Amino acid sequence: KAGVTQTPRYLIKTRGQQVTLSCSPISGHRSVSWYQQTPGQGLQFLFEYFSETQRNKGNFPGRFSGRQFSNSRSEMNVSTLELGDSALYLCASSSQEGQGSGDTQYFGPGTRLTVL
Amino acid sequence: AQSVTQPDIHITVSEGASLELRCNYSYGATPYLFWYVQSPGQGLQLLLKYFSGDTLVQGIKGFEAEFKRSQSSFNLRKPSVHWSDAAEYFCAVGARGGGNKLTFGTGTQLKVEL
Repeated sequence: KAGVTQTPRYLIKTRGQQVTLSCSPISGHRSVSWYQQTPGQGLQFLFEYFSETQRNKGNFPGRFSGRQFSNSRSEMNVSTLELGDSALYLCASSSQEGQGSGDTQYFGPGTRLTVL
Repeated sequence: AQSVTQPDIHITVSEGASLELRCNYSYGATPYLFWYVQSPGQGLQLLLKYFSGDTLVQGIKGFEAEFKRSQSSFNLRKPSVHWSDAAEYFCAVGARGGGNKLTFGTGTQLKVEL
């Protein structure tokens, strides 16, 4: 099976712009989670989608949003970009084998966002 | 809320030496525990996980970890380190019934001296 794919891999934006990142999960996986990784804050959970519904949300401002499509592909959007949004954004998918808690998550390579 | 502490930011070991990376967690019940590895420019790769049962968990690449409830620890070990093990290692905890949200530690950067 192909792994989790994220597009684009690299992105440069300027402050005030908005950006959309895409994630295609492993075939058959229905849960998609997003994480932000920065040198200062480490890995932080953004949100999780399952069957097109947001199931979990981290402590990020409303500028960060996401959605999931019927084919389980997910997008996240960041509006009004700030310098502090520069980060590696990682997407992870899981198969929902169990009760939805602690399923193994498989991570994509990430999208490196730079805000100038 | 759950939390994870990885006390060692950097660790340097010689190739062939044994390795132990520390992880302590805070969670009100028995958590799900994970170790991931990240090489430069890469995403995270799962090394091993603990859900229940045997407290000594075997993973890929010769790694193992032991869940110690009394110490709230889940330390990662490898008997003989290879140069290719140089990477950053993350311990993570997931809450039972909490969906797939993971809380990560700050990571331990492993350097291997030849």
